[in-house]
Amino acid sequence: DAKTTQPNSMESNEEEPVHLPCNHSTISGTDYIHWYRQLPSQGPEYVIHGLTSNVNNRMASLAIAEDRKSSTLILHRATLRDAAVYYCILLYTGANSKLTFGKGITLSVRP
Amino acid sequence: DTGVSQDPRHKITKRGQNVTFRCDPISEHNRLYWYRQTLGQGPEFLTYFQNEAQLEKSRLLSDRFSAERPKGSFSTLEIQRTEQGDSAMYLCASSLGGTSGSREQYFGPGTRLTVT
Repeated sequence: DAKTTQPNSMESNEEEPVHLPCNHSTISGTDYIHWYRQLPSQGPEYVIHGLTSNVNNRMASLAIAEDRKSSTLILHRATLRDAAVYYCILLYTGANSKLTFGKGITLSVRP
Repeated sequence: DTGVSQDPRHKITKRGQNVTFRCDPISEHNRLYWYRQTLGQGPEFLTYFQNEAQLEKSRLLSDRFSAERPKGSFSTLEIQRTEQGDSAMYLCASSLGGTSGSREQYFGPGTRLTVT
């Protein structure tokens, strides 16, 4: 499985934008880039995914580099409720779409 | 609330006892996954169903673990002769079928197992 590399942690101020980076230099042409987050004591929550083009939804935006070797999850205005572990995961387009979680990046949000 | 429910939310059991967990996925989802998460780690894949067929099992799933999904609806995960190392959060997720990489998974709240 292609792997992802994320910083261990990041801090942000409330109501400011947050850019969470992810490197995936061994990504293959059929790998989708998924982001999930996990709030304390909860199950993971789907955030966004994309293949080649940038994507926007109500939770976040996903910016994908032209060579697809990196991506950035953008939270436009961080709130205290966005404090969580964010996982960047490559999902192979095959029969089994199991998620392989790394350690993720722990986002802290300062009031 | 993602629409995926798990029962019980917490289970405390003595070593050597058997436990069973239940997962009810989103009704139209034909894929169902089980993951296990220990403290400070990301979730790890255990097994996967497409409808009622169990299509993949992780090496983490020892002979003491068994999972079923009768009629392709709810699923159960049973652990026999529990050991202290089984203490973890057990997570269930479901998704639609189709092009696998493009399908997001929806997770339940998990069942936290403590083996004493």
